[in-house]
Amino acid sequence: RKEVEQDPGPFNVPEGATVAFNCTYSNSASQSFFWYRQDCRKEPKLLMSVYSSGNEDGRFTAQLNRASQYISLLIRDSKLSDSATYLCVVNLDRDDKIIFGKGTRLHILP
Amino acid sequence: DTGVSQDPRHKITKRGQNVTFRCDPISEHNRLYWYRQTLGQGPEFLTYFQNEAQLEKSRLLSDRFSAERPKGSFSTLEIQRTEQGDSAMYLCAIPGPTPYGYTFGSGTRLTVV
Repeated sequence: RKEVEQDPGPFNVPEGATVAFNCTYSNSASQSFFWYRQDCRKEPKLLMSVYSSGNEDGRFTAQLNRASQYISLLIRDSKLSDSATYLCVVNLDRDDKIIFGKGTRLHILP
Repeated sequence: DTGVSQDPRHKITKRGQNVTFRCDPISEHNRLYWYRQTLGQGPEFLTYFQNEAQLEKSRLLSDRFSAERPKGSFSTLEIQRTEQGDSAMYLCAIPGPTPYGYTFGSGTRLTVV
């Protein structure tokens, strides 16, 4: 089983729609969780951290369920500029490397 | 400006040649990480440094790969006798800006022909 697994893509979504990404992780000792965004042929960039209490940043909402080892990202009112690959990322602890999922590509359609 | 500078941005090399990439964090960081990303995959961990010390190496890092961080600042990643399977984006990262997250450089895209 892969350490971090994400929904296979791509997701083709009309502009203005809501889209949800799901991710599961295998190591229950994982401590920190993130969503990164990666544009084509660019480096990954931190989108947001994910906390057990859930957190929101504008149109983006992230949730963590430690019991189910599940992470989600919700994008509301999607924009054309949201088209990118979204990477689920897990860190075992502050002294360890971060592990990436394969990523889910999102295409927002006009 | 990502906080991490990587050079070169692109490298095309013939199979069997040696290549070296450089990573320069703009400010001092104890830790520095190297990742590799192939098409359609997420970045995969290669190795990391705590100051000058290389603390962990992935099994992806065959004996053709060597990484150094001689003064605890910049780092180099060398690939000897390149193979077509080495074609990938090589990414360098430093801790931050959020706790336990990383900031990545723009990467070096290697194409082995």
